[in-house]
Amino acid sequence: VQLQQSGPGLVKPSQTLSLTCAISGDSVSSDSAAWNWIRQSPSRGLEWLGRTYYRSNWYHDYAVSVKSRITINPDTSKNHFSLQLNSVTPEDTAVYYCARDRYYMDVWGKGTTVTVSS
Amino acid sequence: DIVMTQSPDSLALSLGERATINCKSSQSVLYSSNSKNYLAWYQQKPGQPPKLLIYWASTRESGVPDRFSGSGSGTDFTLTVSSLQAEDVAVYYCQQYFSSPRTFGQGTKLEIK
Repeated sequence: VQLQQSGPGLVKPSQTLSLTCAISGDSVSSDSAAWNWIRQSPSRGLEWLGRTYYRSNWYHDYAVSVKSRITINPDTSKNHFSLQLNSVTPEDTAVYYCARDRYYMDVWGKGTTVTVSS
Repeated sequence: DIVMTQSPDSLALSLGERATINCKSSQSVLYSSNSKNYLAWYQQKPGQPPKLLIYWASTRESGVPDRFSGSGSGTDFTLTVSSLQAEDVAVYYCQQYFSSPRTFGQGTKLEIK
């Protein structure tokens, strides 16, 4: 199983951060996995942002700290999932990772460094 | 939220020495119905994502050297590296998956003295 991340490394303040995680070797619709976004910065350490998963229906689960600004969407036609984080500020500057979890997070993307700056 | 607290923040040991990293959760991560501790350990080297080492508190991930072991239950957990090798220099994190939000410890930096 591999996760391939893509998306811009620079986002302007107040705009939307958008990243995609392409899945190979598994399915975003798997009923035994969930698909997560985590970020890492020196000030916040490893911070789980949210996840999407399919159990007969689609479910989403978001961290309270970003709940008003975040959307994680699956795309079954492309077998990927995406992160959108609205109204970004410099505090959203971090390395963003996607990860599969089957309870524990056993597969991770390589990470995307996102800088929020004008 | 379950707060994960690791100790020490950093550790410097000689090659071949035993390394012990502790992790304490603010509430129990033991699920009584299946007697499993919902606790994982990860290793992160510079410029790389975290790598899963241990899950269910004591189950080693496939391919992880047997010098790495996990123990503990409830709220107190330990990651042990029985004989430190140069390639073990990294930051180690514990993480609970008992409840949402998933939370990580602050990390322990392991170095060679």
